[in-house]
Amino acid sequence: EAQVTQNPRYLITVTGKKLTVTCSQNMNHEYMSWYRQDPGLGLRQIYYSMNVEVTDKGDVPEGYKVSRKEKRNFPLILESPSPNQTSLYFCASRSMNTEAFFGQGTRLTVV
Amino acid sequence: GQQLNQSPQSMFIQEGEDVSMNCTSSSIFNTWLWYKQDPGEGPVLLIALYKAGELTSNGRLTAQFGITRKDSFLNISASIPSDVGIYFCAGRQSSNTGKLIFGQGTTLQVKP
Repeated sequence: EAQVTQNPRYLITVTGKKLTVTCSQNMNHEYMSWYRQDPGLGLRQIYYSMNVEVTDKGDVPEGYKVSRKEKRNFPLILESPSPNQTSLYFCASRSMNTEAFFGQGTRLTVV
Repeated sequence: GQQLNQSPQSMFIQEGEDVSMNCTSSSIFNTWLWYKQDPGEGPVLLIALYKAGELTSNGRLTAQFGITRKDSFLNISASIPSDVGIYFCAGRQSSNTGKLIFGQGTTLQVKP
């Protein structure tokens, strides 16, 4: 079954404690992206990757890092989370011939 | 970053009613997409539009790519309770590898 798998689904953490949200896809897609969803703002792109070792900033990259060491994985790293990063996060992947396929989301709360 | 203007923000309708929502931009887009997000889930693609003027249906859903390339519309006919969710429009301005830009979403509630 085609999937984009995010972990964890829910996370409550404290300010400043480094965390990683993992994302893995089994469709051999070249492109992967991270979005955050906030009420009234829709989905905003954080970072994207066009292939292994190729990443670039989206619209709201501050406070986030990513890496793409393998084609299937695209982890999102928050080195020092702050309360304004409390949000719903989505990973998505696509190929040249398909549109974005989203994971189930990770709800992050930073206290 | 640029965003699309999606309206209405929310709708509360009776089961059986038709629904219309739209997305507009000041810029031209080459691709328009409509996604639906069920509660607790990620967005799922409903309809993709690639040509100005294109009208595409998916069951009770119909979407159109505006002639000006600056807008798109989604209609849902004869709504049912499982239509509840958040509907997002998304557009892509450049090539097939270009970034997707999303609207703010339309929250739909259906009263049985």
